Amino acid sequence: QVHLQESGPGLVKPSETLSLTCSVSGDSISDFYWSWIRQAPGKGPEWIAYFYNSGNTNYHPSLKSRVTISADTSKNQFSLKLSSVTAADTAVYYCARGTAAVAGILVFWGQGALVTVSS
Amino acid sequence: EIVLTQSPATLSLSPGERATLSCRASQSISRHLAWYQQKPGQAPRVLIFDASNRAAGVPVAIPARFSGSGSGTDFTLTISSLEPEDFAVYYCQQRSSWPWTFGQGTKVEIK
Repeated sequence: QVHLQESGPGLVKPSETLSLTCSVSGDSISDFYWSWIRQAPGKGPEWIAYFYNSGNTNYHPSLKSRVTISADTSKNQFSLKLSSVTAADTAVYYCARGTAAVAGILVFWGQGALVTVSS
Repeated sequence: EIVLTQSPATLSLSPGERATLSCRASQSISRHLAWYQQKPGQAPRVLIFDASNRAAGVPVAIPARFSGSGSGTDFTLTISSLEPEDFAVYYCQQRSSWPWTFGQGTKVEIK
């Protein structure tokens, strides 16, 4: 059974860079679609970005200038970096796995990591 | 960006009753719609994909009381007879056009 676990600082100062890592066990990140999703308090989820085949990425247009995702196949991990954060970036951040063939469906999720942007 | 509008915002029902949740897309998305359930403090869980297919290969099997229908811009999630564990927030999500988007959710609460 696949397991995903987010890790990273829970508090980030405004204007700094948010960094999270998703550690995956049970599946290879070279297979399937992998995503970062966030959910602000009381809101619906927002898809930040996804990648597949370890190198093909797609970013949300409104975040594209600030977001980078990268994959480390040797560690079976992938990461999210979001620069120049503001209070609006406060959210629970999830990593998730999709299917092998169909993009845009989230089948397995991590437990989520709450990141608060505050000085 | 495709906007998904869910209605109602809150649905107050009793166990055993039928729940009907709606999701409307701002433009046609064919049948590229999924439904997720989210309980407090948990990640969302996929129930239905491509409008009417119950998710398989998921950690916990999706009960047959959950069904989905619709195409184009109008979609429905039906829970035929509510069980206590079904009281939660439900989100629709489209994968027709990037960025994939979610609705704002419908909360199904105990009456």
